[in-house]
Amino acid sequence: DAGITQSPRHKVTETGTPVTLRCHQTENHRYMYWYRQDPGHGLRLIHYSYGVKDTDKGEVSDGYSVSRSKTEDFLLTLESATSSQTSVYFCAIGRQAGTEAFFGQGTRLTVV
Amino acid sequence: QQQVKQSPQSLIVQKGGISIINCAYENTAFDYFPWYQQFPGKGPALLIAIRPDVSEKKEGRFTISFNKSAKQFSLHIMDSQPGDSATYFCAALTSRQLTFGSGTQLTVLP
Repeated sequence: DAGITQSPRHKVTETGTPVTLRCHQTENHRYMYWYRQDPGHGLRLIHYSYGVKDTDKGEVSDGYSVSRSKTEDFLLTLESATSSQTSVYFCAIGRQAGTEAFFGQGTRLTVV
Repeated sequence: QQQVKQSPQSLIVQKGGISIINCAYENTAFDYFPWYQQFPGKGPALLIAIRPDVSEKKEGRFTISFNKSAKQFSLHIMDSQPGDSATYFCAALTSRQLTFGSGTQLTVLP
């Protein structure tokens, strides 16, 4: 999977608790993305990063924050998890703007 | 709001048949159009991609047809096989963001 590791792979958490998902890459790609996948919606962009400490919002960013302190790591944080954030989360990486992205294996998050 | 509309939602074809999935977009700033294939429990994997200055691209049994004036593109899978059964996503890329269609679940019957 193009040198991308997502952790954890599965997580169950309670409503109102903070959750952090980690994406680690070994490809030294500049761009990193967080998507969520829900039935009938395809993949929707949450946040993305175009360099260390350079991030921007995607289509569904409310309730999520991100940080990128190193090229290889991109963290997604749910400050106070809600049931609507139950989803499968995918990290992706891209070498440069305007080219394809490569995806990790995903993290299945359940908020109860 | 950037959008990519994909159809059909699900598709069933017989082994050896042709599978056709269609996508339409609105934003003329999109300049790269990849297709992804996803198997259950896995992340999407790049299948084939095209730029808008080309009307068709073929890789093995997979062909993308692109109609810039109509803002439509499609994936054709020739001689479909049971191993092609998966979910297929079209996507469109601007300089920084990749926007996906809603996906098509393809089932190829043996």
